[in-house]
Amino acid sequence: DAKTTQPTSMDCAEGRAANLPCNHSTISGNEYVYWYRQIHSQGPQYIIHGLKNNETNEMASLIITEDRKSSTLILPHATLRDTAVYYCIVRVEVYSSASKIIFGSGTRLSIRP
Amino acid sequence: IAGITQAPTSQILAAGRRMTLRCTQDMRHNAMYWYRQDLGLGLRLIHYSNTAGTTGKGEVPDGYSVSRANTDDFPLTLASAVPSQTSVYFCASSRLAGAVDTQYFGPGTRLTVL
Repeated sequence: DAKTTQPTSMDCAEGRAANLPCNHSTISGNEYVYWYRQIHSQGPQYIIHGLKNNETNEMASLIITEDRKSSTLILPHATLRDTAVYYCIVRVEVYSSASKIIFGSGTRLSIRP
Repeated sequence: IAGITQAPTSQILAAGRRMTLRCTQDMRHNAMYWYRQDLGLGLRLIHYSNTAGTTGKGEVPDGYSVSRANTDDFPLTLASAVPSQTSVYFCASSRLAGAVDTQYFGPGTRLTVL
């Protein structure tokens, strides 16, 4: 059970903001929202994560709704190199031997020139 | 700093043969993970290790075994390969296990079982 729902595919014009939605309606209070991406034939790459507050780093912004049931990853100025599959992941923060990270099927983002 | 390395890059294997995929990290991360990636199924966790000497089962552990004798190495073994194990395998590591921590992924091993 991936616990997240994402669109199968999206596209965006180069230079525009790409907004990728994710539904995680069954998220628990201690679960973080993580975003990774995978460019063709490469290993997944970490983008950003958050718990309750909106977050921003050099790659992207993460907007989490107040009820935490959904979030949006924003790539502010998409480039062709942002073409990838984007994974929204909900993971449990634990400090024992039980630590599992479940990837869903992701959103295939295509940036058009 | 190399990060995470995996070997081999790719391999074609006859069914029934034994195969070990190697994974080494030089970041002194405590936790390591093995995933497989198949078209249409995304990334699935096979096994993980939260610290040297301990391992745990992920989503799809059957047919695979792992060991974690030290911090740096986390080999994945297919005792008797079957065609359904044809996949791309990614190793990953994180500084801490279970905590809010980034996972770093290796370049992957493409395995074909005939």
